[in-house]
Amino acid sequence: GQSLEQPSEVTAVEGAIVQINCTYQTSGFYGLSWYQQHDGGAPTFLSYNALDGLEETGRFSSFLSRSDSYGYLLLQELQMKDSASYFCAEARSGTYKYIFGTGTRLKVLA
Amino acid sequence: DTAVSQTPKYLVTQMGNDKSIKCEQNLGHDTMYWYKQDSKKFLKIMFSYNNKELIINETVPNRFSPKSPDKAHLNLHINSLELGDSAVYFCASSPSPGGNTQYFGPGTRLTVL
Repeated sequence: GQSLEQPSEVTAVEGAIVQINCTYQTSGFYGLSWYQQHDGGAPTFLSYNALDGLEETGRFSSFLSRSDSYGYLLLQELQMKDSASYFCAEARSGTYKYIFGTGTRLKVLA
Repeated sequence: DTAVSQTPKYLVTQMGNDKSIKCEQNLGHDTMYWYKQDSKKFLKIMFSYNNKELIINETVPNRFSPKSPDKAHLNLHINSLELGDSAVYFCASSPSPGGNTQYFGPGTRLTVL
C-alpha cells in the first residue's frame, strides 16, 4: 500500500497561505518531490528536496526534515488556479522505485 | 514541442479485447515509466525501463506487457481487458532511474465496458 501519507483535502481562501504535509517511511529514503495535478491533467513537477531545509520557487516552497520523516509544500498568495491535487513522491535508493503519496485536494475559495 | 506524448488520449473498449497505448519522449531521457491512476487518484507505478531494459516490474497482472523498442518509446499492451483495468494510464520519463523529476504525458483514459 501507500507509504506516504497526506491529508485528503485542504480548503483555503484566495490570498491565504496553505501548508500540505507529507510523512514518509525512512527505509531507503533518498529525497522528496512534489507534483501538482489539475483535474483532467497530468502531474507536473513542482520541487524536490534531498537535504533538510526549505527550497523556494516563487509562491511555492517545499520543506524537508529527515529526522522527522516529514515534509511539506507551502503555497503562498493563493490563487484560484492553485485549486488542484498535490502529491508528494519519495525516491528510494537502490531500488529505482518512486512512490507517490495519497494526494491532497486543495480547494481555493474566492 | 511536446515533451512526452501518448496515444490515444481516450480508449473505450469491451471486456476481453486487447489494446495498446503508445508513448514517446523527445527529452533525451534514459528512463521511462508507466503509471496507473485509479478513480481515487492513487498514482501507482507499474513498470520502468532504463535504456530499453526493464528495471521495475510491480505486481501487475501478466495481461499487461510493456515494450521499449528504443529509449524514446515505451508502449503498453493489455490483453483480455477487464472492468477493473478502467483507469488513467500515464507515461513518464526522467533523465535517470528513480528520477526525482519526472515528466508526465497527458494520460490515456481507458474505459472498459
